[in-house]
Amino acid sequence: TQLLEQSPQFLSIQEGENLTVYCNSSSVFSSLQWYRQEPGEGPVLLVTVVTGGEVKKLKRLTFQFGDARKDSSLHITAAQPGDTGLYLCAGATGANNLFFGTGTRLTVIP
Amino acid sequence: KAGVTQTPRYLIKTRGQQVTLSCSPISGHRSVSWYQQTPGQGLQFLFEYFSETQRNKGNFPGRFSGRQFSNSRSEMNVSTLELGDSALYLCASSLALGQLDGYTFGSGTRLTVV
Repeated sequence: TQLLEQSPQFLSIQEGENLTVYCNSSSVFSSLQWYRQEPGEGPVLLVTVVTGGEVKKLKRLTFQFGDARKDSSLHITAAQPGDTGLYLCAGATGANNLFFGTGTRLTVIP
Repeated sequence: KAGVTQTPRYLIKTRGQQVTLSCSPISGHRSVSWYQQTPGQGLQFLFEYFSETQRNKGNFPGRFSGRQFSNSRSEMNVSTLELGDSALYLCASSLALGQLDGYTFGSGTRLTVV
């Protein structure tokens, strides 16, 4: 079983602060995705990273895939209350299985 | 375009009963996957269907089953419900097998077993 550990598990910050969420595994993934899930809804795909060392930016969000394709990070600049939610990383293997991380619950306080 | 539609949104069942959940994928998406989400275990993969065939299966007992129809709509069935089956069941669709393009999830069916 591929295990994706996310840290921190919970994060509560003030509006305007920066933060980084980590997703780590001992397994190599062919690609890695980040999702955000709001209460009562399904996860929404934010980004897919495929190449080791790849960096993608989505407005205030920066995603990085580790060189060895075993880990990833999500950095949010100047967090806003609308960023509140459960952030999930998910790694894909060559067997077409997608393994989800343990999740980071982010609360941005106005 | 319409998103992934799951019905019903909420369901309360008694232990020992069975339940059927439905998922209509985005038009043109042929792969449908099912996940169980609980606070303790997070999102766990149940199974994936593509072209009416189960292509992948997670580590769940045989009480959990599914099927896919020719229009790509999918159903999952849980028989002999247990209290521990209470969870949010999520369906996700994608264009094809393999998730390089990412999933589109439905809003889920919240199942409560009493």
